[in-house]
Amino acid sequence: SSELTQDPAVSVALGQTVRITCQGDSLRIYYASWYQQKPGQAPVLVTYDKNYRPSGIPDRFSGSTSENTASLTITGAQAEDEADYYCCARDSSGDQLLFGRGTKLTVL
Amino acid sequence: EVQLVQSGAEVKKPGESLRISCKGSGYNFISHWIYWVRQLPGKGLEWMGRIDPSDSYTNYSPSFQGHVTLSVDKSISTAFVQWSSLKASDTAIYYCARRPRDWDALDIWGQGTMVTVSS
Repeated sequence: SSELTQDPAVSVALGQTVRITCQGDSLRIYYASWYQQKPGQAPVLVTYDKNYRPSGIPDRFSGSTSENTASLTITGAQAEDEADYYCCARDSSGDQLLFGRGTKLTVL
Repeated sequence: EVQLVQSGAEVKKPGESLRISCKGSGYNFISHWIYWVRQLPGKGLEWMGRIDPSDSYTNYSPSFQGHVTLSVDKSISTAFVQWSSLKASDTAIYYCARRPRDWDALDIWGQGTMVTVSS
């Protein structure tokens, strides 16, 4: 498959836990990375590989993969987490990079 | 500080050529791939292609192959994307991003370059 599928929008109550998912056949082979993008800003890497976070990313962000589904979990969502989230992974050939269409997270 | 700094916004007419840049600093420029990503107005991220600054090897998305050219001048730690004939549909924000060789992720992003193509 040559695409990654994300839900267009997800909402979460302040302080609660939310999972954003990404499905694609290539996720059986390659790990996903996740990017947060706030309006008017460049994307920021939040998790990658099995479950690594770059320095400066809060530990409430975590990543996981099961079969063809990658997930980004935010445990105790904060108001500042409201943003678009994109998953990204190689396609099944390994030569191309795919992005999901993004999930808009609203923190209520 | 590790950063990628992109050139400023551009306004062009259809059919014109354009080259925008992405300058790396604070790290060994040739030790990381540079990726280019397009974001159409109000839309998601699309991978355009990548270039290895050490030897200028390139790999393009089929959607962009033949329409853009990636290049690099490692003497000035700068990557470029070039169009020979712009279309109105090229109106977008273009981001460069760094990929470490031992990570499968884009860890540092440029601030983006807005390109507007309008007659």
